[in-house]
Amino acid sequence: QPVLTQSSSASASLGSSVKLTCTLSSGHSSYIIAWHQQQPGKAPRYLMKLEDSGSYNKGSGVPDRFSGSSSGADRYLTISNLQSEDEAEYYCETWDSNTRVFGGGTKLTVL
Amino acid sequence: EVQLVESGGGLVQPGGSLRLSCAASGFTVSNNYMTWVRQAPGKGLEWVSIIYSGGSTYYADSVKGRFTISRDSSKNTLYLQINSLRAEDTAVYYCASINGGATVHWGQGTLVTVSS
Repeated sequence: QPVLTQSSSASASLGSSVKLTCTLSSGHSSYIIAWHQQQPGKAPRYLMKLEDSGSYNKGSGVPDRFSGSSSGADRYLTISNLQSEDEAEYYCETWDSNTRVFGGGTKLTVL
Repeated sequence: EVQLVESGGGLVQPGGSLRLSCAASGFTVSNNYMTWVRQAPGKGLEWVSIIYSGGSTYYADSVKGRFTISRDSSKNTLYLQINSLRAEDTAVYYCASINGGATVHWGQGTLVTVSS
């Protein structure tokens, strides 16, 4: 089954942009993933589904500042014009053969 | 509007059992893929179980044989029966609905604490 690898932490300044990475394991580079945001003390929130082509579909109400892209086995989440409320944990997710997998999450700090 | 509301969590002794419920509104549980995901304190998300619209069920290896996912169409509710609880099962348990493959709608979670 696939494994998703994420950096444990990232930081960027208020108003700047940040690009978070989720890497699929060998043999799974074509897999579709989803990105989720979890603000402190809250439930996760679905952000988008991202294909290997780079095409993505965002969830309802997700700001335009959030976008996705892909390159090989890497799936990216880019957040532009960072706001304080973007400080959160970001998880990627994929699915295969009746199992689902989450990455370890990236804690984003907005400076 | 889609809404998922979990209940049934609490403090339970090792070896005990609980049944978690997830009441859905705004859509029909039995027509959708539904899943349970848990999060241990300070840790990441861990997939637990899935039930497909056709009724097939699957589990993570860590809970296989101890947890059972089910649904009640008349109540539009998803359940997770958790037996033989261990300390490592302590977590917030989220129910969620799946659309187009991705987990799209999440509940607010219910906390299960396993401790003597």
